[in-house]
Amino acid sequence: AQSVTQLDSQVPVFEEAPVELRCNYSSSVSVYLFWYVQYPNQGLQLLLKYLSGSTLVKGINGFEAEFNKSQTSFHLRKPSVHISDTAEYFCAELSGAGSYQLTFGKGTKLSVIP
Amino acid sequence: DTAVSQTPKYLVTQMGNDKSIKCEQNLGHDTMYWYKQDSKKFLKIMFSYNNKELIINETVPNRFSPKSPDKAHLNLHINSLELGDSAVYFCASSHALVNYEQFFGPGTRLTVL
Repeated sequence: AQSVTQLDSQVPVFEEAPVELRCNYSSSVSVYLFWYVQYPNQGLQLLLKYLSGSTLVKGINGFEAEFNKSQTSFHLRKPSVHISDTAEYFCAELSGAGSYQLTFGKGTKLSVIP
Repeated sequence: DTAVSQTPKYLVTQMGNDKSIKCEQNLGHDTMYWYKQDSKKFLKIMFSYNNKELIINETVPNRFSPKSPDKAHLNLHINSLELGDSAVYFCASSHALVNYEQFFGPGTRLTVL
């Protein structure tokens, strides 16, 4: 069974500092990876996705992620965070074998400190 | 216009009752999903429908039943509600063979007393 591991449940960081949220996936076949953000009391919004091609993926709000097949990782980064980035971040893997099921990690709570 | 909408946003009910949550998408997608987010924020797929056919059914109690009157709607019916059903339920949709991105609704917070 697929599994997605987000190594940090909470990440506090000062405003304007860089941040990395870590994610490891388990699939050894075709890999489709996603990062979603959930602001308080809201639904999930896609930040970025990796389907194929360049291993460095750029998303919205200045976020980017790097797909690393040898390390089975898909870490999310931002060079300078803002207060408005405070939210829950979810890494997810898609099974493309006819089911299109998203398997989510347990989430990382990013808290930006003024 | 909201791409994926859910009603109601909040639902408070007593144990044993039957309730429904409605979901509609106006994106022309062919696949719709229901996810459950528990109190620890963990998200898990419950169902998905593709062209009116159920293609995923995880280990969900049969008290939960998805109903899709057409491609734009996937409603969730829950019978005999239990305390453990309290959670946030998210509807999502995607065009399965296009870019695989799933668009999520705002969620329905269900509280069972």
